Amino acid sequence: DTAVSQTPKYLVTQMGNDKSIKCEQNLGHDTMYWYKQDSKKFLKIMFSYNNKELIINETVPNRFSPKSPDKAHLNLHINSLELGDSAVYFCASSQVYGHSGNTIYFGEGSWLTVV
Amino acid sequence: DQQVKQNSPSLSVQEGRISILNCDYTNSMFDYFLWYKKYPAEGPTFLISISSIKDKNEDGRFTVFLNKSAKHLSLHIVPSQPGDSAVYFCAASTQKLVFGQGTRLTINP
Repeated sequence: DTAVSQTPKYLVTQMGNDKSIKCEQNLGHDTMYWYKQDSKKFLKIMFSYNNKELIINETVPNRFSPKSPDKAHLNLHINSLELGDSAVYFCASSQVYGHSGNTIYFGEGSWLTVV
Repeated sequence: DQQVKQNSPSLSVQEGRISILNCDYTNSMFDYFLWYKKYPAEGPTFLISISSIKDKNEDGRFTVFLNKSAKHLSLHIVPSQPGDSAVYFCAASTQKLVFGQGTRLTINP
């Protein structure tokens, strides 16, 4: 029973298209995140939501729009995809926001390739 | 401006020996440090953590050491096992978690 699940796992799409990645957590956590692992393998936070409210937006282009219909879901919509958007996107969740000792639980990742 | 760095992209260790993974950071405001382990096609999973008020935390075969003056932490795995082969990410936190780029550990039989 997957704790943090995201779909699709693999996505190949053309430049200029709009695509969404969905994420759901069944851990009862209040906080959800989107991370991006770029070509240099760094895992960088993109967004953080706490109880459906945006907490962190790390200067991500506004082509990226997260949507949290409820605290168990955080979807990522990307408009006008560019080649540089190719990356692995990880959804994650944690019990609360802002505690340094928070353990963050990650989904399996969504491999996005823009051609 | 990468605040957390893992300068070794890969490490190869013989089974049974000690694996030592290193991590350096620049932000003295970090107050919590974590190690995550990642298998291929899976998300990172939490392994072990340490608060900045400590210099060592041990959990079974895994020990994390923190040297605040050097802004350096390390993860020791002993004895190393084939199942430890994975990518290990160091992370540091104030309220936000900042990751290094990972070190691929390979345990050779």
